[in-house]
Amino acid sequence: EIVLTQSPGILSLSPGERATLACRASQSFTSNFLAWYQQRPGQAPRLLIFGASSRAAGIPDRFSGSGSGTEFTLTINRLEPEDSAVYYCQQYGDSVHTFGQGTKLEI
Amino acid sequence: VQLQESGPGLVKPSETLSLTCTVSGDFLNDNYWSWIRQPPGKGLEWIGNIFYRSTTKYNPSLKNRVTISVDRSKNQVFLRLNSVTAADTAVYYCARHFDGTYLNYWGQGTLVTVSS
Repeated sequence: EIVLTQSPGILSLSPGERATLACRASQSFTSNFLAWYQQRPGQAPRLLIFGASSRAAGIPDRFSGSGSGTEFTLTINRLEPEDSAVYYCQQYGDSVHTFGQGTKLEI
Repeated sequence: VQLQESGPGLVKPSETLSLTCTVSGDFLNDNYWSWIRQPPGKGLEWIGNIFYRSTTKYNPSLKNRVTISVDRSKNQVFLRLNSVTAADTAVYYCARHFDGTYLNYWGQGTLVTVSS
């Protein structure tokens, strides 16, 4: 099973700043099959990024993903209050899909 | 595409948790379907998925207790989890994969509490 470790656990920033969230995998996996999800309180997760760097439909270009191998990053530019949420990375390159433990972003 | 989870909100320890995911706007045959759970205040755990009628993959930590199945005539996906304990208390989500990869549609989730 591939273990994903996200850092930091909690990130507190101000509106207009940039957030950088990290996701490290215990081993590399198929073709950068990594996704990022946003989960606001009381809501289901929402897909932000797939294939490590492709934005899902309707996601603002303030959100971007990068990385390869075992190191991946989600960057959120020009933070807005509505970006307050928990962000999860997920790998789907292995037959057993796994999630990171999440990073809580406070604006 | 819309997914709606349903089932008992309370299950007794040692009994079986059974949930249904009703899908509208899509056909079960064409996609992979997953169940994911989230204990209160904690992160997401992938339970397993199903493709077509019977091709399944399960999280090894749950493999001996979980069964995912479908009823194509009703466009429903089912989750059964045997021998539950308090540790199985969670919000349970069903979700659709894009071509077996990332999860692009999620249900609202349903809270299941395991308690006597």
